[in-house]
Amino acid sequence: KAGVTQTPRYLIKTRGQQVTLSCSPISGHRSVSWYQQTPGQGLQFLFEYFSETQRNKGNFPGRFSGRQFSNSRSEMNVSTLELGDSALYLCASSRDQGIKDEQYFGPGTRLTVT
Amino acid sequence: AQRVTQPEKLLSVFKGAPVELKCNYSYSGSPELFWYVQYSRQRLQLLLRHISRESIKGFTADLNKGETSFHLKKPFAQEEDSAMYYCALSSSNTGKLIFGQGTTLQVKP
Repeated sequence: KAGVTQTPRYLIKTRGQQVTLSCSPISGHRSVSWYQQTPGQGLQFLFEYFSETQRNKGNFPGRFSGRQFSNSRSEMNVSTLELGDSALYLCASSRDQGIKDEQYFGPGTRLTVT
Repeated sequence: AQRVTQPEKLLSVFKGAPVELKCNYSYSGSPELFWYVQYSRQRLQLLLRHISRESIKGFTADLNKGETSFHLKKPFAQEEDSAMYYCALSSSNTGKLIFGQGTTLQVKP
């Protein structure tokens, strides 16, 4: 079956702009989590969605938001971009909520803020 | 605070040598521990989890609650084991994973 897909794969934005990243989970998976990966901070949890509801949120400012649609696809939005938001954004899907099921990661979206 | 520490950024060994990637954690409660691996140009993928207690690709990891450690071991390293390895923890009722900084394993021929 097809894996987790993320679009776009690469993105260049300027400071102050906003950006929307998309994640399509594996068919049948209802939970989507987002992570930010940077060389300095490593992999950090952003949020987890299940059945269109945010179940967990990491320690990120309110500029970072997300949502999940009825088909389990998820988007994350970053408003008023800062240089420090440059990172690889990963999403992961699993069949159910919680860590009981294995999380499958997508290839990531590489965001560069100039 | 919940934290995962991988003290080595880089571990370099020769093919056939034993490997131990260290992972220590701090967590109040009963965490679930995982090892994830990222091979060059591939996605991050689950290698093993402590509750399954299985060996994957020759790797094993034992949860030591007394020492709060979850070290990854393999008796004989192979060149194809070269990758970035991440230790992670989660509580059982959340999908939130807390990752360590990762260790690059380099297996030389």
